[in-house]
Amino acid sequence: QSVLTQPPSVSGAPGQRVTISCTGSSSNIGAGYEVHWYQQLPGRAPRLLIYGYKNRFPGVPDRFSGSKSGTSASLVITGLQAEDEADYHCQSYDTSLRPQVVFGGGTKLTVL
Amino acid sequence: EVQLLESGGGLVQPGGSLRLSCAASGFTFSSYAMNWVRRTPGKGLEWVSGISGSGGSTYYADSVKGRFTVSRDNSKNTLFLQMSSLRAEDTAIYYCAKAARSQYDSSGYPNWSQGSRVTVSS
Repeated sequence: QSVLTQPPSVSGAPGQRVTISCTGSSSNIGAGYEVHWYQQLPGRAPRLLIYGYKNRFPGVPDRFSGSKSGTSASLVITGLQAEDEADYHCQSYDTSLRPQVVFGGGTKLTVL
Repeated sequence: EVQLLESGGGLVQPGGSLRLSCAASGFTFSSYAMNWVRRTPGKGLEWVSGISGSGGSTYYADSVKGRFTVSRDNSKNTLFLQMSSLRAEDTAIYYCAKAARSQYDSSGYPNWSQGSRVTVSS
């Protein structure tokens, strides 16, 4: 069971907007530790999309945006495109036991 | 251009050992912490181990502590993961990932290797 909780799957039609949540607790996101988002296409390595909650990594389209509220973070994709179909992972840092990097369980985005 | 080229994966029997290597180029290797992250079949990403830029501090997930050893050779710009007492649940694709800062902390990973498949099976 992951320390950060993501929905296993989300879907949307081309052109639509989807939101992927990442729910943590007071020992990670709620404590102010950074949240980062990665896209992983099938058979490929993860690619950093968003760092520090809301900053787009160079080269990432502005269709991708991130935010944080309390103990949760969200990745929003607008103007959904077929090539966005991938797995999305959130990452943060947790200090409940030993300080440690943690990932969410990942979310499979299907473009209908 | 940052490049991380990984090698050393393969098939190993339970209880066996394997060493992964990650050759880095395109940046000042000793200035950045490095990490190992794995993706197991049907699951998400799992952070495995981290090491500071100097190599003086190392960190491990509970699932591998005492069995895996991370190290780096800053003179050869190479990161290593020595895996021992391997179990079926260690089967995964292993990635090396460059951190954004010199210390193991909450920073993201802007650069990843292509991944190396490790299969633990008899």
